[in-house]
Amino acid sequence: NAGVTQTPKFQVLKTGQSMTLQCAQDMNHNSMYWYRQDPGMGLRLIYYSASEGTTDKGEVPNGYNVSRLNKREFSLRLESAAPSQTSVYFCASSWGRGNTGELFFGEGSRLTVL
Amino acid sequence: AQSVTQLDSQVPVFEEAPVELRCNYSSSVSVYLFWYVQYPNQGLQLLLKYLSGSTLVKGINGFEAEFNKSQTSFHLRKPSVHISDTAEYFCAVSEGGANNLFFGTGTRLTVIP
Repeated sequence: NAGVTQTPKFQVLKTGQSMTLQCAQDMNHNSMYWYRQDPGMGLRLIYYSASEGTTDKGEVPNGYNVSRLNKREFSLRLESAAPSQTSVYFCASSWGRGNTGELFFGEGSRLTVL
Repeated sequence: AQSVTQLDSQVPVFEEAPVELRCNYSSSVSVYLFWYVQYPNQGLQLLLKYLSGSTLVKGINGFEAEFNKSQTSFHLRKPSVHISDTAEYFCAVSEGGANNLFFGTGTRLTVIP
């Protein structure tokens, strides 16, 4: 049972380069989320998709774009990477609104921007 | 606005000793409360949650937490820790009807043999 799968697990970019983080879930969940985790700051929500076809900004959306490709997949794109985007990125999913149910997390994608 | 405070960034404790990880939140409306655990190089997984009802909530691996509305706290406890409990623990809160979970900064629990 794969759950939430993120790719790549590790990536090094130079400032100004672009990349896309991929996320897929096989639990038929409606909602999907992208968080970033930074030392001493916990997890902060970047974007979420409450259901297929919708996306909304979270706490820290600047510098990112997302696409809910279908019910299973939710990608995060950095158009022009900056050193401040060095972080560990987590994708998560839930049955519905995340505030009443359990979020299922992927194993994370560690991104370094030089 | 919501916020979550985990005052202790690191908690070392000897094996088989009890532990309490503290969490306080601020919100002007009713909230849902969660504790997640993150083992090294893994994603987060749910330990327990409080939505309504009994203020004492039991979770996996022998952990429990108590919701105290007057003190706006949701402290996590375990009467006897094991080496395998070494991990980072995150408290999270959301307001009813909102999509976002707000996470605390985490508490790293280290169990010493």
